[in-house]
Amino acid sequence: KNQVEQSPQSLIILEGKNCTLQCNYTVSPFSNLRWYKQDTGRGPVSLTIMTFSENTKSNGRYTATLDADTKQSSLHITASQLSDSASYICVVTAYNNNDMRFGAGTRLTVKP
Amino acid sequence: GAVVSQHPSWVICKSGTSVKIECRSLDFQATTMFWYRQFPKQSLMLMATSNEGSKATYEQGVEKDKFLINHASLTLSTLTVTSAHPEDSSFYICSARDIGGGDYEQYFGPGTRLTVT
Repeated sequence: KNQVEQSPQSLIILEGKNCTLQCNYTVSPFSNLRWYKQDTGRGPVSLTIMTFSENTKSNGRYTATLDADTKQSSLHITASQLSDSASYICVVTAYNNNDMRFGAGTRLTVKP
Repeated sequence: GAVVSQHPSWVICKSGTSVKIECRSLDFQATTMFWYRQFPKQSLMLMATSNEGSKATYEQGVEKDKFLINHASLTLSTLTVTSAHPEDSSFYICSARDIGGGDYEQYFGPGTRLTVT
C-alpha cells in the first residue's frame, strides 16, 4: 500500500477558479513534505517544501498546508491559469532523508 | 536556482541495442543522484540511487545488469539501458541532491523519453 495517497486523481476547473488538492500520508518518522508540479513530458518542479514545524507555505498562487498530527497536507491554487494544467505530486520524505515516497499525483486541467 | 540537465531529451532505438542517458547537475555538486522511470499517467518509480564513486543501489525488481548506472563525478551520472526491449520504453527522470545548501533539496531533470522499436 502506497504510503502517500492523493486525491482527487483528476480535476477539471475553469480558468480563474480556485482549487484544493489533498495529500494524506503514513510515512513515519516524518522529515518533510514537498509538492511538485509536473508538466506533461517534463520533470517535476518543486513548489513547496515543509518540515514538521511548518503549517503553511506559499509560493505565488500556490499555498501548501501541513497538519503533521493528522498527517494531511493540501495544496491550494488561487485564480487558476491555463498554465496550471499539470500533474501535482506530493512527496513525503522519511526522517533519514533517504526514503522519498511519491504520491500518484493529481492531474489538474484548467479550461478557458 | 539549481539546474539538472538530461541528455538526450528523447531517443528512439532498435530492440537489442543499448542507449545511454546522461544526467548532469549544472551549478551544484551532487554526491547522490536518483534514477526514476515513469509510465503514462503514473507517478515516478525509483529505480536506483547513485552515489559518486561507489556502486548504485537498485530497488527491488530492477535488473542491475540491464540498467547500468555510473556516477563517475560529482556532477554526472549515466544510465545505460542494455539490450533494450519495447517494454523498456518509458520516461526516465533523474534527480540530484544538493548537499551544499544543507537542506538536502532534490532537483529533477527534464526527463528522457525512450522509445524502443
